[in-house]
Amino acid sequence: KAGVTQTPRYLIKTRGQQVTLSCSPISGHRSVSWYQQTPGQGLQFLFEYFSETQRNKGNFPGRFSGRQFSNSRSEMNVSTLELGDSALYLCASSFDSSYNEQFFGPGTRLTVL
Amino acid sequence: GDSVTQMEGPVTLSEEAFLTINCTYTATGYPSLFWYVQYPGEGLQLLLKATKADDKGSNKGFEATYRKETTSFHLEKGSVQVSDSAVYFCALSPSGSARQLTFGSGTQLTVLP
Repeated sequence: KAGVTQTPRYLIKTRGQQVTLSCSPISGHRSVSWYQQTPGQGLQFLFEYFSETQRNKGNFPGRFSGRQFSNSRSEMNVSTLELGDSALYLCASSFDSSYNEQFFGPGTRLTVL
Repeated sequence: GDSVTQMEGPVTLSEEAFLTINCTYTATGYPSLFWYVQYPGEGLQLLLKATKADDKGSNKGFEATYRKETTSFHLEKGSVQVSDSAVYFCALSPSGSARQLTFGSGTQLTVLP
């Protein structure tokens, strides 16, 4: 069974631009969560989608948004990029039941210049 | 809100040494507890989990016991190998959900031959 895939793996943008990251969950998984990992703040939860609906949201500004498609693939978008948005963005998928393991993708490394 | 406090690293051990990485948490109710491992350039892999008090999670020689009285979930391994070198994250998810994880700051482990 293929794991969680994220594209692109690396991205370089400049301040003020916007970016879209993509995540394909494991086949059959309906929940997709996004996390931001930085050296200063560590791993922080961004949001979770299930059946095309945002079910949970972390404490991030409105510049960070996401969506989920009917095939469970998810995208996250960051508008008006700031230097501080440079991070590893991790996507995780799970089959929806309590206590199930979240399977993480390799991440997208975003650098904002 | 929920929080996880992890032993600060880096930790450097010789092969076959005993490993302990301390983790304590603050949360309401009965969270689930996890240890994740991150190898260089990769996403997170679930190492072990425990979903209720006194549960012991174990995998690949690693163990951790959910101690509600001390709000702790310390990771231990009796004999580490060079291949265990990685960053280890303690995490919790609130009662009833496995998809919003709160992570500790991570502990870098280096095992020398």
